[in-house]
Formats: sequence, C-alpha cells, structure tokens
Amino acid sequence: QQQVKQSPQSLIVQKGGISIINCAYENTAFDYFPWYQQFPGKGPALLIAIRPDVSEKKEGRFTISFNKSAKQFSLHIMDSQPGDSATYFCAASYSGGYQKVTFGTGTKLQVIP
Amino acid sequence: KAGVTQTPRYLIKTRGQQVTLSCSPISGHRSVSWYQQTPGQGLQFLFEYFSETQRNKGNFPGRFSGRQFSNSRSEMNVSTLELGDSALYLCASSLGTEYNEQFFGPGTRLTVL
Repeated sequence: QQQVKQSPQSLIVQKGGISIINCAYENTAFDYFPWYQQFPGKGPALLIAIRPDVSEKKEGRFTISFNKSAKQFSLHIMDSQPGDSATYFCAASYSGGYQKVTFGTGTKLQVIP
Repeated sequence: KAGVTQTPRYLIKTRGQQVTLSCSPISGHRSVSWYQQTPGQGLQFLFEYFSETQRNKGNFPGRFSGRQFSNSRSEMNVSTLELGDSALYLCASSLGTEYNEQFFGPGTRLTVL
C-alpha cells in the first residue's frame, strides 16, 4: 500500500529557479515528515524535517510547506543550483513507530546551468 | 566521527542461495534499521533493531531476517534468494528515540542471478 505519494517523478529546473516537489499522505497517524536527498552511489541524507504543528519550516534555500487538512506537504528549493541535482524523497513516520519510515517514490531533480 | 559502514558493498548470488549483509552504526547509536531500495518499489522499510531487540518490522516475507549484537552492529540475512531480491540494501543508524535523525550507509548492492 502506497502511503506516501510523491510527484513529479522527475524535474528539470534552470539554475536559479525554484524546484517544487509535492507529497500527499493517507495515514493520519503520521506526525513527522522528513525529506531526504540522495546522490548516486550514496545513501539518503536528511535534508529538513517538519512536525504537523507548524505550516512551514525554512532552512537556507530549502522550505517545507505543510497542509495538515489536505494531508499534503511540499519541498521548495529556492535559487536551485547544479549541485542540488539529486533524487529527493519525502517520508513520514508516526509516534511509536520510532525509526520505521515510509518513503515516497522519489523525484529525480536535474538543475541545468 | 565515522559514518555508517556496510559490508560488502557489492554481492552477486544465485537463486536459492542465502546471503548475510553487515552494518556498523555510528558510535553511540543504538538503533539500526534496514531498507530495501529498488527502482520499482523505491525505499521500503525492512526492520529496526534497538538494543539487540527487533522493535519494528515491515511487510517482507520471513526469508528476510536480522539481528543486532551487543556492540550495536547488525546483520541482515536473506535465505532462499529470489531474482526479485536484487536491490540496494541500506542500513541506517540513529540514537533510537522518537524523531531522531537516521544516518544512512552507502548500501550493499545485491544482484541475484
């Protein structure tokens, strides 16, 4: 059962542009929503995470927007750079689930100069 | 501080064989989780071990098993390998309390022929 839906599957953005990746979840028990970045040949690395008690969280050029009523959240990458080219995964977990994380299907981002 | 290490990095097996993968977590981390990553299914949670006990389990058949040692190192075993078990197997470590960041290793690429 796909519990976290992610779109788009791939994304091409010009350098300096805004990259937007969207995710939707079904399980209302989820209460922690991390985003991971994965480069080829590497494991995923935590980029930024949000709890549902806030609607937005910003860290540098990366912002998560969260809409609890719609059960949707998104990642915005401002001023996208070629070094941001990677695969991005949204994810979700719930209290009591500890490290059991449900991942979205991933978005392959390419930032072209 | 050394990161998560996984051995071996690459493995080729034939159908019906069994395989054991190893993961050494970051020093001080007591939780080790295993994930299977494939192009079709994405990242899927296998199980989590905390202080030598399995704390969480995903929806995988009993052919997939694991264990954790007193030094927090973990092994994952897959018996009676099938072609569909070909994947990147990722290990992640964390302190183990709620909402802790998981740190992923580079993975073991398993190919089943």
